[in-house]
Amino acid sequence: GAVVSQHPSWVICKSGTSVKIECRSLDFQATTMFWYRQFPKQSLMLMATSNEGSKATYEQGVEKDKFLINHASLTLSTLTVTSAHPEDSSFYICSARVPDSQVAFFGQGTRLTVV
Amino acid sequence: RKEVEQDPGPFNVPEGATVAFNCTYSNSASQSFFWYRQDCRKEPKLLMSVYSSGNEDGRFTAQLNRASQYISLLIRDSKLSDSATYLCVAPHTGTASKLTFGTGTRLQVTL
Repeated sequence: GAVVSQHPSWVICKSGTSVKIECRSLDFQATTMFWYRQFPKQSLMLMATSNEGSKATYEQGVEKDKFLINHASLTLSTLTVTSAHPEDSSFYICSARVPDSQVAFFGQGTRLTVV
Repeated sequence: RKEVEQDPGPFNVPEGATVAFNCTYSNSASQSFFWYRQDCRKEPKLLMSVYSSGNEDGRFTAQLNRASQYISLLIRDSKLSDSATYLCVAPHTGTASKLTFGTGTRLQVTL
């Protein structure tokens, strides 16, 4: 299958700092990428749709000023968690769809712990 | 009705058993569905796509029942390595470019 690479795989940061997570499609161009968050024993919750060259589309209840998304190229989307708080600790996963397909491939995920 | 609904389990089965999961969906216009497998603390990985009548890959068979709006996943000859959470995925109602994930069904295969 297609390869989506996410970095870092885990990060521990202090409360109040910002963390940037990168998501790259390695062998295809992705005009759209998706960012999810998953709390323990819960399902994946879509946070936002990242659109190359334009603003991200956020799901209801997700603060766009807190979760900054940039999709500057066809192979890279970044999610920055600004002023992180302990309640932001979660598993963040990106995905990208292969062009002309609804099949989505996921990055390895980033486990964020805010202390 | 939830867009995608699954029995969370857990399903505890002995090695070699056959186990089946169902997943109901609400959007009757959906054309394609997916089963993903997610191991603990890992990302979901595509297991099977389900279009029209169904799909089979080795020990795994996925079927679609449009009349009753559900898809199923059948695993034959279960292996210990099949232990995971199985996620049912359907296109989002209203925005087909997005996907909606079920909460997942936990499978535990034991000796």
